[in-house]
Amino acid sequence: GQNIDQPTEMTATEGAIVQINCTYQTSGFNGLFWYQQHAGEAPTFLSYNVLDGLEEKGRFSSFLSRSKGYSYLLLKELQMKDSASYLCAVRDSNYQLIWGAGTKLIIKP
Amino acid sequence: ETGVTQTPRHLVMGMTNKKSLKCEQHLGHNAMYWYKQSAKKPLELMFVYSLEERVENNSVPSRFSPECPNSSHLFLHLHTLQPEDSALYLCASSPRTSGGEGTDTQYFGPGTRLTVL
Repeated sequence: GQNIDQPTEMTATEGAIVQINCTYQTSGFNGLFWYQQHAGEAPTFLSYNVLDGLEEKGRFSSFLSRSKGYSYLLLKELQMKDSASYLCAVRDSNYQLIWGAGTKLIIKP
Repeated sequence: ETGVTQTPRHLVMGMTNKKSLKCEQHLGHNAMYWYKQSAKKPLELMFVYSLEERVENNSVPSRFSPECPNSSHLFLHLHTLQPEDSALYLCASSPRTSGGEGTDTQYFGPGTRLTVL
């Protein structure tokens, strides 16, 4: 079967750095996505990785290792507004997105 | 309006009611999706309309019926639902070119919070 694993919940301090991990086992691989979802709102696109390595976009970076079936989302200089759920999704060989259950990130002052 | 819109935002219905959810995208995309999001569970893909072809998840009960009259509008018709169908229903769209190139990133609407009594 296909599976995406990510921690259920994480807590971090305002101004700090946090890394949210995602491991996957899927039928083929055609890219990995990270989305942010604030409570009661739509998921919004953060990043896309299809090749190994680090993609940086402002305070957010996403890393991919295809050989290890592993990705992480790195958030720097955390702000209170970063409190949200972060969803990892992998596109499989059928071009369908397989989703993780999301990681709820709680930021404390 | 821009992006993906959904109406209504909240819906409470009895098990014998019939209702419809509406989604509209203003992005010029070719594919539209219905997802179900339950607490602490992964997004479940229900239906995809892509370049006028419908692809569905075979595990979706027949009490959910999609309709896509054109590439900008998507409906989800609901009838004789069960309490376990209570969830957030999300609509999304993506460019989905016929060649399949690009990231084909999906953009989501705000969702309809459905409660079945």
